[in-house]
Amino acid sequence: QVQLQESGPGLVKPSETLSLTCTVSGGSISTYYWSWIRQPPGKGLEWIGYIHYSGSTNYNPSLRSRVTISVDTSKNQFSLKLTSVTAADTAVYYCARLGTVGGTPFAHWGHGTLVTVSA
Amino acid sequence: DIQMTQSPSTLSASVGDRVTITCRASQSIRNWLAWYQQKPGKAPKLLISQASSLENGVPSRFSGSGSGTEFTLSISTLQPDDFATYYCQQYDCYPYTFGQGTKLEIK
Repeated sequence: QVQLQESGPGLVKPSETLSLTCTVSGGSISTYYWSWIRQPPGKGLEWIGYIHYSGSTNYNPSLRSRVTISVDTSKNQFSLKLTSVTAADTAVYYCARLGTVGGTPFAHWGHGTLVTVSA
Repeated sequence: DIQMTQSPSTLSASVGDRVTITCRASQSIRNWLAWYQQKPGKAPKLLISQASSLENGVPSRFSGSGSGTEFTLSISTLQPDDFATYYCQQYDCYPYTFGQGTKLEIK
């Protein structure tokens, strides 16, 4: 059974870069699409973007100018960088696995990690 | 972006009740719709994909229907474990978008 685990700083200062890593265990990162999703406290879910193990990406236009998602197949990890953060970026960040083709739902999720943007 | 609108936002019900949650898309998404269940402090769990296909291990009291722009999630006989927040999500077009959620509360 595939498992995903987010890791990274829980506190980021305004204007700095949020960096998170998702480590995949119980299966290979190859073949699948992998995504980041976030949820501000008490609010709904927002898709950030995805990456294919080959490196191809697709980002939410609302965040595209600030987001980079990358993959390291040798470590079975993929990562999120979000630049120039503000308090509006405070959220629980989830990593998730989609299917082997585009256009599939989020079948497996990490537990999520809370990132707070504050000075 | 495709807007997903769920109704109601909050639903109060009792154990044993049958409930239905509606999700409407701002344009046709064919049947590329998923339903998730989220409990406090936990990640969402995929219940249904392709509008009506139950994921492995999900109890048969859950069912989904619809196509195009209108979809429903039904729970036939509410169990205590079902009280949670439910989200719909379209995966027909990028960016993927979610409904705002329906909180199912104990009456």
